[in-house]
Amino acid sequence: DTAVSQTPKYLVTQMGNDKSIKCEQNLGHDTMYWYKQDSKKFLKIMFSYNNKELIINETVPNRFSPKSPDKAHLNLHINSLELGDSAVYFCASSQEGGRNEQYFGPGTRLTVT
Amino acid sequence: AQSVTQLGSHVSVSEGALVLLRCNYSSSVPPYLFWYVQYPNQGLQLLLKYTTGATLVKGINGFEAEFKKSETSFHLTKPSAHMSDAAEYFCAVRLSGNTPLVFGKGTRLSVIA
Repeated sequence: DTAVSQTPKYLVTQMGNDKSIKCEQNLGHDTMYWYKQDSKKFLKIMFSYNNKELIINETVPNRFSPKSPDKAHLNLHINSLELGDSAVYFCASSQEGGRNEQYFGPGTRLTVT
Repeated sequence: AQSVTQLGSHVSVSEGALVLLRCNYSSSVPPYLFWYVQYPNQGLQLLLKYTTGATLVKGINGFEAEFKKSETSFHLTKPSAHMSDAAEYFCAVRLSGNTPLVFGKGTRLSVIA
């Protein structure tokens, strides 16, 4: 039974389009995250939600908007896609507290043409 | 602000040889430290973590790491490399609360037969 799942796994789209990536966790965690992994494998936090409330919003374009309908879901909506948005996006979740590890989803490979 | 430096973007070892992946951190307070592994086209999987207590931490797949506060290091080792260990390895640091993980740039491990 998958702990953190993301859909879709692959997403190919054209510049200017709007797309969403969905994330669900069945671990009962209260904190969820979105990370971006670039072509050099560098991982950077984008957003963090705790109990459906945004607690971290790193410097990302406002074309990216996270939405958390409940504690188990954190979706990422991207408007007006650009070539530079091509990357792998990872969702993660953890229990509250710094000592608790984060569990990662399988990733969504976004390719913007 | 905390940061992580992984020395060596690519490490190559022979099958059966010692694996040593280096990680140094910078943090104003004692951090929590993690090692994750990423196999091709997959998400990140926790190898091990240090929170408090014993400074030598054992993880999955025969890996271990030692927290050395005086050297601000958390190097990952495995006595004998296996072909299946070939992957990307990430060291990460996290402070308390719901702060996100801060990742190093990763080290790609190749295992030669």
